[in-house]
Amino acid sequence: SQQGEEDPQALSIQEGENATMNCSYKTSINNLQWYRQNSGRGLVHLILIRSNEREKHSGRLRVTLDTSKKSSSLLITASRAADTASYFCATDAFGGGADGLTFGKGTHLIIQP
Amino acid sequence: DTGVSQNPRHKITKRGQNVTFRCDPISEHNRLYWYRQTLGQGPEFLTYFQNEAQLEKSRLLSDRFSAERPKGSFSTLEIQRTEQGDSAMYLCASSSLFQLGGYTFGSGTRLTVV
Repeated sequence: SQQGEEDPQALSIQEGENATMNCSYKTSINNLQWYRQNSGRGLVHLILIRSNEREKHSGRLRVTLDTSKKSSSLLITASRAADTASYFCATDAFGGGADGLTFGKGTHLIIQP
Repeated sequence: DTGVSQNPRHKITKRGQNVTFRCDPISEHNRLYWYRQTLGQGPEFLTYFQNEAQLEKSRLLSDRFSAERPKGSFSTLEIQRTEQGDSAMYLCASSSLFQLGGYTFGSGTRLTVV
């Protein structure tokens, strides 16, 4: 079953603008990860944030985590056409162990040139 | 070895036939996962191997599904007596037990049951 929900389900913005996606989850976690998926392809790992971290940066990506609200956000700054993809948050309850990652339904991001 | 390899990329089969997919993980990774993804949904966990041992199976994995990872290297996922509801993308991922990080996913095998 899906652990959480991404919001919005779809987002369309102009190239150069910032894109923000949110993720909510239900159970306690060890870490939360964000992945990107281009149409018909596998998933690419973007960033991992541990449960004791509040914010993390990687290039144009910024991720926040609020464990009290069981929510996370992914910000992509200065968006590019190549950022068009679906973005998924995934929670890791046992440190990458037996249950693997639990994914949300994703946000479909379209960057218009 | 630059990533996780899955074969075939696409498979079309008639209902009732058996199919087998293969996954070659990153050689240093001792954890291997199978996921299933349907259109508009996120991947759903199917099963997990640590080395050659299958340690967890989802309720989604009916008796028609079986997975193996002989010698802790490549893995196969077999679906017997396929049904139209089995049509999906089957994704394989690997990770390291000793290093906290994200999973490396393969490009998936898209199964269409007609």
